[in-house]
Amino acid sequence: DQQVKQNSPSLSVQEGRISILNCDYTNSMFDYFLWYKKYPAEGPTFLISISSIKDKNEDGRFTVFLNKSAKHLSLHIVPSQPGDSAVYFCAARPISSGNTGKLIFGQGTTLQVKP
Amino acid sequence: KAGVTQTPRYLIKTRGQQVTLSCSPISGHRSVSWYQQTPGQGLQFLFEYFSETQRNKGNFPGRFSGRQFSNSRSEMNVSTLELGDSALYLCASSLLAGGHEQFFGPGTRLTVL
Repeated sequence: DQQVKQNSPSLSVQEGRISILNCDYTNSMFDYFLWYKKYPAEGPTFLISISSIKDKNEDGRFTVFLNKSAKHLSLHIVPSQPGDSAVYFCAARPISSGNTGKLIFGQGTTLQVKP
Repeated sequence: KAGVTQTPRYLIKTRGQQVTLSCSPISGHRSVSWYQQTPGQGLQFLFEYFSETQRNKGNFPGRFSGRQFSNSRSEMNVSTLELGDSALYLCASSLLAGGHEQFFGPGTRLTVL
């Protein structure tokens, strides 16, 4: 069974500090990993992705790290801003899906950035 | 460039009825995927369409179906609604078939009474 898990339902950080959101997956049969941000009453917004053959990808304040041996994915937000307060989902595309658009999502982590 | 649009945004139905939801992808995007979001199960993949063909289907009963038109717009249909079908239905588009970077619409909130 291919699962993606976010074990922390919530995270609170101070404005200007680093936010680290974590995600674990249960097997190695994913070729892409992604992070999405979701505000209430809106659909998820794509943030950043990483191929399974890489271990780091940066885009502005967002950096995603992939540790394949630990089957662990993390998103770093530096510096954190109050507007970053939202629910963050990690997602992965299974290789078995045959290069289709199926993504498997974690349960989400609610990030609160305090001014 | 306009984003993904979904209509209607909110819908209330009763058990046994059927419902059709609509999705217009980002201009130029040809792949459309549908997801169901519920508090208990999270975001779950329903199906993906590209060039009017269903390319993949999630683990949902046959009451859930979809289609895509030649202009890439997509519809999903749920027949014989059950209380458990109450959810946020999200549509996502990507440029190519199997695109891993998917861009979501605001969703349709379906409530089944």
